[in-house]
Amino acid sequence: EVQLVESGGSLQQRGGSLRLSCAASGFTFASYAMSWVRQAPGRGLEWVSTISGPGSSTYYADSVKGRFTIFRDNSNNTLHLQMKSLRAEDTAIYYCAKLHISPDGSFESWGQGTLVTVSS
Amino acid sequence: DIQLTQSPSTLSASVGDRVTITCRASQSVSTWLAWYQQKPGQVPKLLIYKTSTLAGGVPSRFSGSGSGTELTLTISSLQSDDFATYYCQQYNNDPWTFGQGTKVEIK
Repeated sequence: EVQLVESGGSLQQRGGSLRLSCAASGFTFASYAMSWVRQAPGRGLEWVSTISGPGSSTYYADSVKGRFTIFRDNSNNTLHLQMKSLRAEDTAIYYCAKLHISPDGSFESWGQGTLVTVSS
Repeated sequence: DIQLTQSPSTLSASVGDRVTITCRASQSVSTWLAWYQQKPGQVPKLLIYKTSTLAGGVPSRFSGSGSGTELTLTISSLQSDDFATYYCQQYNNDPWTFGQGTKVEIK
């Protein structure tokens, strides 16, 4: 069974930094692209970033480009999101998601999410 | 960026009704579109990928169709468990984008 467990969310000041992590199990982690998707309180879903299985390719939403970095540790089945220069509009639940097998880019499995709150 | 517009934004329906949600794209997404269901306080759940392929464990009353710029999600006979918010998502072009959501409410 696929399990994705996020951690690292907390209350941060505007301009601060934070690292989110996602521990994966139940599948061959290195074979799948992984993503972060966020949801602001009471709002819809917003794709944040995706990384390929080997970690050699990364993709970002314009809203986070240059501030967030996605990376993975395939030896420890862990996905990370390094967040810098946090803004109030980054406040959201951040979900870790496993993509379907390439080339399909739908989000097959989701973690429970971790809440990031940025205070101004 | 490809903008996805779902209609309606809110839908009131009764158990047993046939329900259709439309996702219109600002440019073609080919068939690279997925649908998700999210209930209050819960994690989104993949229902359909590549326009019409049901994800594992999804009841057959859900179906997807279309291509290009107009795609639809149909629930053939609405059940009480289906009252939720539904999102479409395109993955034809970077950046991947979601529709704004359609809330299906009890009539």
